[in-house]
Order: sequence, then structure tokens, then C-alpha cells
Amino acid sequence: DAGVTQSPTHLIKTRGQQVTLRCSPISGHKSVSWYQQVLGQGPQFIFQYYEKEERGRGNFPDRFSARQFPNYSSELNVNALLLGDSALYLCASSVLAKNIQYFGAGTRLSVL
Amino acid sequence: AQKVTQAQTEISVVEKEDVTLDCVYETRDTTYYLFWYKQPPSGELVFLIRRNSFDEQNEISGRYSWNFQKSTSSFNFTITASQVVDSAVYFCALIGTNAGKSTFGDGTTLTVKP
Repeated sequence: DAGVTQSPTHLIKTRGQQVTLRCSPISGHKSVSWYQQVLGQGPQFIFQYYEKEERGRGNFPDRFSARQFPNYSSELNVNALLLGDSALYLCASSVLAKNIQYFGAGTRLSVL
Repeated sequence: AQKVTQAQTEISVVEKEDVTLDCVYETRDTTYYLFWYKQPPSGELVFLIRRNSFDEQNEISGRYSWNFQKSTSSFNFTITASQVVDSAVYFCALIGTNAGKSTFGDGTTLTVKP
């Protein structure tokens, strides 16, 4: 079975641009979470979605938004990119909201 | 508020040594889950273990063992007879009653030298 897949793998953007990151969960998993990992730090929670509804939101500005589709895949959108948004963005899926989260390989975003 | 502290930023050991990675957490929730993940250089986080707050039994899985002590809010991870392949960043994490929010520590970088 395929694991969590994220696309694209790498992305380079300039300040002020907008970006969309995509995530496909493991088959049968209904919950998707997004994390931002800056070099040298642990993953910081951004959003969790379960059954297409937002179940949790971390301490991130409104420039960050997400949604989950009927097939449980998810998109993370970041508007008005800042240099500080450069990071590895991780997606994790789980069967239920409290279950073990399985992570994808991430999307490395560089903002120039 | 939730907080996970991994005080050891980096640890370096020689192969076959035992090593313990510390994790201390804070939460106001009475029900919560604790996790350990491994992040090798490839970047993908690999799940190692989950423990719920009602289960204080220690667990052993091969060379890995975990010591959960609710009284000290600690969930420590020991690798016995370390190997070079154990070199990675290890993260401790917590999910509280509000399942929508996960908190990770800043990780411990383990280097095992041959």
C-alpha cells in the first residue's frame, strides 16, 4: 500500500507569491494534519482535518489555509509568502484524529 | 497549553553503547497520547511508539525500550547496543484531549560512530 504522498517535493517561490501544497493520505485514513518544520526544530502543528472538517489549528497567521476533499486528500495554501515561510512542510494521515500519524516525505519550500 | 521538552540537543556515542533520550512534557489534559518518531537524513518521520496516559507499563521492542513515568511527566527512550543505523533525529510528541493539536519537542540528534 502507498504511504502518504506529498507534492511537489521541492518548491522555490519569491516573497509575496502564493503556494499550494498537496497531500494524499494512506488509503482508509480520514484525518490529515499539516506541520511546518524549520531547520533544527521540531514540526510545528498548522492544521488538522478530519472528515473534511477542521479539527484543530496551530498558532499560524491567516495567510495559512487548508482544506480536505471528499477523497480525504488535502491542500495547504500559503498566501503572501515571507522569507520566514521557508521550511519543510509535512503532511501526516491517521485513521482517526487521535490515532498514530504517518508522515509523508514533505515538501521543501524555499522563499527567496 | 502543551509543551514537550527534549533537553538533549545532540548526543554522540560509539557503536554498541546504550543511550537514553529524555522527554519531559506538560499538559493540563488528563487523557493524552505520547509518541516517539525517528527522522533519518532522508527527512521522513518514522513512527516508533505510542503510549496513552493510562498505560504506564514500560515497553520493549527489540533494542528499543520506553520508560513512561506519569509522576515526573517523562517518557524516556533507550536504545540498547546502539548501531550506526540508529543515527537520526528523534522527536517526542504529545496529543492531548483536543485531538486536533499535536506538540513536538525540538528533537535530539543522535550520532552513533563505528
